[in-house]
Amino acid sequence: GAVVSQHPSRVICKSGTSVKIECRSLDFQATTMFWYRQFPKKSLMLMATSNEGSKATYEQGVEKDKFLINHASLTLSTLTVTSAHPEDSSFYICSARKATDTQYFGPGTRLTVL
Amino acid sequence: ILNVEQSPQSLHVQEGDSTNFTCSFPSSNFYALHWYRWETAKSPEALFVMTLNGDEKKKGRISATLNTKEGYSYLYIKGSQPEDSATYLCAFIRGSGNTGKLIFGQGTTLQVKP
Repeated sequence: GAVVSQHPSRVICKSGTSVKIECRSLDFQATTMFWYRQFPKKSLMLMATSNEGSKATYEQGVEKDKFLINHASLTLSTLTVTSAHPEDSSFYICSARKATDTQYFGPGTRLTVL
Repeated sequence: ILNVEQSPQSLHVQEGDSTNFTCSFPSSNFYALHWYRWETAKSPEALFVMTLNGDEKKKGRISATLNTKEGYSYLYIKGSQPEDSATYLCAFIRGSGNTGKLIFGQGTTLQVKP
């Protein structure tokens, strides 16, 4: 199979703190990982494409200094929400792509900023 | 603006009923159409990747068809079971496909009553 884990599954933090979310491909190497965000009752919106060993490519309207992405190895990408504010509260989910076009998703992280 | 529309938004059926949902996407510059099944608290699970006009794919009681010229895909579930209850997402990839960027619809949430 192709399993992607995400940690933590749920996090509550105070406004102004930074939160790091990890995305790991457990049984395959992924040169490309993707980060999505889901607003309530909306579809998954692509935030950025994370390529191993290079800078992430951000979608229009996504602040790269707010959402720091690091893809240090073929099995790990991290998303850091810096100086989080209540409007950053959302559901964040990652996916990892194998050699084929199929993307495998993690279970997501629910972020609540107080 | 690329829009992927899914209908209906939600659906309640009785066990044993057959059902279908629609995914509409831009017909120009098509590369691939993905279907995912997303159960609560789990990772979205890849069902199908469809690339050719007229494609029909099947996985157990679930099947999907693709019409790239008119920009729609249907997902069918034959003899629905309670374990089919989930949100079904479609996602579109345009252009060369090398970017792997998925553009998601809002999903159709299916509830199957025993």
